[in-house]
Amino acid sequence: DGGITQSPKYLFRKEGQNVTLSCEQNLNHDAMYWYRQDPGQGLRLIYYSQIVNDFQKGDIAEGYSVSREKKESFPLTVTSAQKNPTAFYLCASRFQASPYGYTFGSGTRLTVV
Amino acid sequence: GENVEQHPSTLSVQEGDSAVIKCTYSDSASNYFPWYKQELGKRPQLIIDIRSNVGEKKDQRIAVTLNKTAKHFSLHITETQPEDSAVYFCAASKRSGGSNYKLTFGKGTLLTVNP
Repeated sequence: DGGITQSPKYLFRKEGQNVTLSCEQNLNHDAMYWYRQDPGQGLRLIYYSQIVNDFQKGDIAEGYSVSREKKESFPLTVTSAQKNPTAFYLCASRFQASPYGYTFGSGTRLTVV
Repeated sequence: GENVEQHPSTLSVQEGDSAVIKCTYSDSASNYFPWYKQELGKRPQLIIDIRSNVGEKKDQRIAVTLNKTAKHFSLHITETQPEDSAVYFCAASKRSGGSNYKLTFGKGTLLTVNP
């Protein structure tokens, strides 16, 4: 699956619930990213992490949280504070020292029910 | 911060025709410009990229041109085929503190190739 795996493929959330999206990569990439995709909006950066135990907010971080305890893993939690979470979420990774070679996961479609 | 504008938002062509998608960027420090193709419900796939020291790059039916002075770059697809139908995203990247490179995306162009 291209070395970066997202799960689940589809996820349903009830109002007031937190849900966690998984992203795992075996490419030995240093940097990992979470993007949100809405129709007509392109890809917007939520959070990114350059090294283990460090991460920074992107452009739309409110209502989301992340952790980076292992190099291979960068889970995203969509909290109840995110008022409009229905979207397609994409995880990506790349080597730290290069702007090239962005690899994307296959995405998770989150729907509020 | 960087702002990437992409046009058109939708493009419909007949099979065999050419398609052109244009992007502009705001930050002159941006120096890497990839293009991604995304089929419905799937991951974006890199199809071609260009670095700021190059004005044009071609790969079979796909080409990208870059005008640094005007801060715009374009994707050209020749002899389009139905399987070219997808959403295409442009992006611009620059160094953003330390060794981080921030990639900013355009909003995408839905290309439809009619048989």
